Parts: sequence; structure tokens; C-alpha cells
Amino acid sequence: NAGVTQTPKFRVLKTGQSMTLLCAQDMNHEYMYWYRQDPGMGLRLIHYSVGEGTTAKGEVPDGYNVSRLKKQNFLLGLESAAPSQTSVYFCASSQGGELFFGEGSRLTVL
Amino acid sequence: GESVGLHLPTLSVQEGDNSIINCAYSNSASDYFIWYKQESGKGPQFIIDIRSNMDKRQGQRVTVLLNKTVKHLSLQIAATQPGDSAVYFCAGPGGGFGNEKLTFGTGTRLTIIP
Repeated sequence: NAGVTQTPKFRVLKTGQSMTLLCAQDMNHEYMYWYRQDPGMGLRLIHYSVGEGTTAKGEVPDGYNVSRLKKQNFLLGLESAAPSQTSVYFCASSQGGELFFGEGSRLTVL
Repeated sequence: GESVGLHLPTLSVQEGDNSIINCAYSNSASDYFIWYKQESGKGPQFIIDIRSNMDKRQGQRVTVLLNKTVKHLSLQIAATQPGDSAVYFCAGPGGGFGNEKLTFGTGTRLTIIP
């Protein structure tokens, strides 16, 4: 089992560019999450989904959009990247208990 | 909402010794906590969890203690090994049901000294 897979693992963007991070899970989990991790800040929840076709805002949703068109995929979009969005992004999934995390996607916005 | 935090950002322990990592939380109604381990360049991994109807839970070389009176929990790692070097996070419910919105602490970086 691959578990939770994130693509891409690294990306450099210029301010104002857009991009999409893809998260895929093969565990048939209902819940999926996007977190960002910054030095000294721990993990902060951006958006999450409690099932296919549903999304909800987390702690720091501004500047991001998400979609959950298929149960196994959770997409995180940046419409107009800003340097403040330079971070490591983690996707996670769960069935209501333990969170399973991907390996992370490091995004740099210049 | 819930907030969780860790007492020390870094901790160094001699290999073979026991280590204790602490965490405090704010919401007395929180009923579920999880400890995660994050190695360099990887995503967090589940270590152990505890519900509020328990004071202590043991795993393999790890023990979590929950003190609801002072809203404090700790992770004890016995006989530390080099592979225990990592950042450790506690997490608690941040609203919603179950783990819908987990809130993570800022983490303690544990370094095992050979």
C-alpha cells in the first residue's frame, strides 16, 4: 500500500503564479486534510474534507482552495501565490482516528 | 477552540536514558490526545493516543500520562535509541467531532546523544 501520496514533492513559484498540490490516498478513508508546517509554528490546518464532495475551512484557509471530487483525492490550489505561502505542505487522511500523513510538499514562492 | 503547546522546543538525552516530553492544553473538555513523531524530511507518524477516561497508556517503550487536573500530558520514551531523534508533537481536538480538526503543538526536537 502506498498510503498517502503527495505530488509534487518540491516546487518553486513566482509571486502571482498558480499551482495545485495533489494528494491521493488508497486506504478508502473518509476524512482528508491539508496542513502547512512552518518553523516554530507546528502544523496548521488549512482545509479539510469529511467526505467526497465536501470541504471545510481550517485554521488558515485564506489564499487556498480545495476540491474533493473523488474520495481518494484531495487537491489544494493556490490561485495567486505569495511569499507568505512558502512552506511545507502535508496532506493527511483518516477514518476518524489516527491521521496518516504524506511525505510533504515543499513550496517556495519567490 | 483548543490550543496545545509544548514546554520545551529542544531536549537532549543520552542514549539509553529515559526521556520525557511535556505538553499542555487549554480546553478541559478535550477528550482525546495523540502524540506524533516526525523525522527529518518525513511526515508525522502516529506514536500513541489516549482518551480522557484514562490517566496512562503504554505502548512499546512509550508511555503517555494524562493529568486532567492541570491539563497536562507527557510522553515518556524508555531506553532511548538513536532512532528516537525526531520532533515530537502532541495534538488535541480543535473542534468538530472525532479528529475532524486536530490542533498540533509546536513540537519538541529530541536529540539522542551517543
